Amino acid sequence: GAVVSQHPSWVICKSGTSVKIECRSLDFQATTMFWYRQFPKQSLMLMATSNEGSKATYEQGVEKDKFLINHASLTLSTLTVTSAHPEDSSFYICSARDQGVNGYTFGSGTRLTVV
Amino acid sequence: QKEVEQDPGPLSVPEGAIVSLNCTYSNSAFQYFMWYRQYSRKGPELLMYTYSSGNKEDGRFTAQVDKSSKYISLFIRDSQPSDSATYLCAISTSSYKLIFGSGTRLLVRP
Repeated sequence: GAVVSQHPSWVICKSGTSVKIECRSLDFQATTMFWYRQFPKQSLMLMATSNEGSKATYEQGVEKDKFLINHASLTLSTLTVTSAHPEDSSFYICSARDQGVNGYTFGSGTRLTVV
Repeated sequence: QKEVEQDPGPLSVPEGAIVSLNCTYSNSAFQYFMWYRQYSRKGPELLMYTYSSGNKEDGRFTAQVDKSSKYISLFIRDSQPSDSATYLCAISTSSYKLIFGSGTRLLVRP
């Protein structure tokens, strides 16, 4: 079945630094990828939608300059949290959609802790 | 009103019980319905996908959609401790975005 690999699985960084999270579709081409944020015991909140080769579409309230998304190829999307602050600490999850697949495949998530 | 409503639980059942998980949605235009299972600190895993009213069965899992009532359900038969997780209903919109319910935490006691 479709597999999405997300790295790193966890990261700790200092306030003010930037962190990059990678999301790769391993066995299919992902025309569209999605980035979510999840707080403890809460559901997934969509942050942005990225289509290969074009700018990401951000949901209302999500700072595009803080959460930089790049989808340079059909198998790779990256989320960079810039100038991270403790309130950015969260669980970030990517998912990928393939036109030929009924459903969306999720990565295993990245737990970000900003200290 | 949220577009997708789901009882957060927690729901605690003994091993072997039949589990019923439910969601309601507000927009009758929604057509694609999914159930995901999420273990702690992991990404969601697709369990069931359906787009029509009626039942769809896969092993111990049955997904049910009632579009007239805007109500979707997931039934788990012969529940096992390994089924303990958070179950999320999700609806795919016309722009291919997923709208998730808040998730129901399930605990199956041995």
